[in-house]
Amino acid sequence: QSALTQPASVSGSPGQSITISCTGTSSDVGGYNYVSWYQQHPGKAPQLMIHDVSNRPSGVSNRFSGSKSGNTASLTISGLQAEDEADYYCSSYTNIRMYVFGSGTKVTVL
Amino acid sequence: QVQLQQWGAGLLKPSETLSLTCGVYGDSFTEYYCWVRQPPGEGLEWIGEISHTGSTIYNPSLKSRVTISVDTSKNQFSLNLNSVTAADTAVYYCARGSGYKWNFGGQGTLVSVSS
Repeated sequence: QSALTQPASVSGSPGQSITISCTGTSSDVGGYNYVSWYQQHPGKAPQLMIHDVSNRPSGVSNRFSGSKSGNTASLTISGLQAEDEADYYCSSYTNIRMYVFGSGTKVTVL
Repeated sequence: QVQLQQWGAGLLKPSETLSLTCGVYGDSFTEYYCWVRQPPGEGLEWIGEISHTGSTIYNPSLKSRVTISVDTSKNQFSLNLNSVTAADTAVYYCARGSGYKWNFGGQGTLVSVSS
């Protein structure tokens, strides 16, 4: 099972919106509505930001939103803030009952 | 609130067995749990999961070397990875599953493999 494809880096100015893509196949992203997004600050454990494509856990800012079209899922961060600077990973359930992560995207706030 | 605390040896020699344990606190231990690793400077890799009943699913790329077990009497689950090499050097995380998502409550353990 290959890693899902994400852009290596995305940047934006404070207040702007950015979108991170996550491309898989019909065996993972396209086949299930079980895509999650994780935020990871340096030296810290990943934190769940979005699950089941577009659902936010309690406590996560509504500036974070998720969507999916075909084999590509997306995470949008609106009103970008300095604290959003981190690495972001998507993850999907797969047809062989395991999970696959994306390659990771470094978000830089300019 | 569920808390995960993990422990285990952080320095191994090639061919040795990696052993980590994750304790689950504040949970009825009726969900399922997994291990994920992250080599230095790289992305996340899902290793495998175990349910509270002991049923397991492993990443095919590691399946021949991995065993995940559970001790419900202690609210703990463990990871064993045998015949380690330098490629197994990584931060290992335990996580709790709910639905089709994972919550990483543990702090991560850096395991280094070096002769």
